[in-house]
Amino acid sequence: NAGVTQTPKFQVLKTGQSMTLQCAQDMNHNSMYWYRQDPGMGLRLIYYSASEGTTDKGEVPNGYNVSRLNKREFSLRLESAAPSQTSVYFCASSASSGPLHFGNGTRLTVT
Amino acid sequence: QKEVEQDPGPLSVPEGAIVSLNCTYSNSAFQYFMWYRQYSRKGPELLMYTYSSGNKEDGRFTAQVDKSSKYISLFIRDSQPSDSATYLCAMGSNFGNEKLTFGTGTRLTIIP
Repeated sequence: NAGVTQTPKFQVLKTGQSMTLQCAQDMNHNSMYWYRQDPGMGLRLIYYSASEGTTDKGEVPNGYNVSRLNKREFSLRLESAAPSQTSVYFCASSASSGPLHFGNGTRLTVT
Repeated sequence: QKEVEQDPGPLSVPEGAIVSLNCTYSNSAFQYFMWYRQYSRKGPELLMYTYSSGNKEDGRFTAQVDKSSKYISLFIRDSQPSDSATYLCAMGSNFGNEKLTFGTGTRLTIIP
């Protein structure tokens, strides 16, 4: 009964370091998403993948890249982390016209 | 002005009370509306989904949409301590989740 699994749960980076956030879903969903959640800002879409092999920018894509590795997995990469990327990152998946199912988040701090 | 406005709270009410959570929006193209519940250190989970104006009931929860006033509400009856969470409204203009706009969330505490 895993649903959407995100790793790691917590991460601290120094400015300029890179890292990849991993996400996997076991619900056979076509669509996957990466959001960030900041106080007073709500959830904002970074990138999404409507189906395996496709990715598109969301509202706040700058400083991020994504890879839809296969139907199950969708990773988010920070090539050169900045303090402004300190946030909680959520991965989500959905059937084509169904509701979003979220993971439990990765809490990232960039110093 | 944000497309979706939601009072961040915090809101504290005694156990058993009726809770009213609200969002207003400015985009008249929004056609479907959702409420998500988010426990501390967890991801949001879908509570209610409505497509039209009017009320939708599910157990102790009622979602209300007034498109003419651009106002949506979530009512919780017989509130329980387990209802303590942050409640996010979300809305969209078509059936693509990439177009969803979220409110900032209202933090609710039910006092035993």
